[in-house]
Amino acid sequence: GQQLNQSPQSMFIQEGEDVSMNCTSSSIFNTWLWYKQDPGEGPVLLIALYKAGELTSNGRLTAQFGITRKDSFLNISASIPSDVGIYFCAGPSSNTGNQFYFGTGTSLTVIP
Amino acid sequence: NAGVTQTPKFRVLKTGQSMTLLCAQDMNHEYMYWYRQDPGMGLRLIHYSVGEGTTAKGKVPDGYNVSRLKKQNFLLGLESAAPSQTSVYFCASSHNEGVGTEAFFGQGTRLTVV
Repeated sequence: GQQLNQSPQSMFIQEGEDVSMNCTSSSIFNTWLWYKQDPGEGPVLLIALYKAGELTSNGRLTAQFGITRKDSFLNISASIPSDVGIYFCAGPSSNTGNQFYFGTGTSLTVIP
Repeated sequence: NAGVTQTPKFRVLKTGQSMTLLCAQDMNHEYMYWYRQDPGMGLRLIHYSVGEGTTAKGKVPDGYNVSRLKKQNFLLGLESAAPSQTSVYFCASSHNEGVGTEAFFGQGTRLTVV
C-alpha cells in the first residue's frame, strides 16, 4: 500500500531557529497537505499544495510540492514555543478512492 | 462553525464490552474517515466512507465496524473491546475530489480498554 516516510522523526531546537522537515512517498500524489497536532487535539491543516513545484507560505511556514510529486517539504522560520507539536504530511491517493495517507509525524520541541 | 464533532471525548471500557463512537460533520462532506493514533505510529486508517450508505475498509479494520446511514454521521463500533484497541480515535471528513480535498479532523476520543 501507500507509504509516506517523514523525517526527521523528532527535532529539538532552540527558539528562533529555522526548522525543515520532509515527506516522501512511494507513489505520486496530486495533493500534499501539512497538518499540525497540538497535544490532546486533533490535527489541524496548515498548508495545502495542489501543483507540482508549488511553493506556498502561511505566515512563518513555507511548504513545497516536489517536482516529482513524490515529496514535499515544510519549513518553519524563526521558531517560537507555540510551534511545539507533531507535524504530519498527508495526501489523498486517487488510486484508492481518495483515502488519506499520513506520514508518521515529526515531533517538534522548541526550547525557549 | 462546529466542523467535525466526536463523542464521547473519553471512555474506559472493560475487555469484551461494546461501544459506539459517533462522528458528526456539518460541512456537507462526501468522505468520512476513522483513524486511530498510537505512539510512534502516526494515524492509521480504520474504515472510511465515500458517501451515505457506503463504507470501506482501511488499513487496520479488524475488530471494528462502521455505518454511514446519514451523510453527516459516521459511526465506529467496537463489538468486543480488547486492550489492543486502547488508542486515540480521530474522525475526519473531506470533499470527494479536487480543490478542497483536505481532511478536517475532530478533537479525538481517548479510549482505554482494561
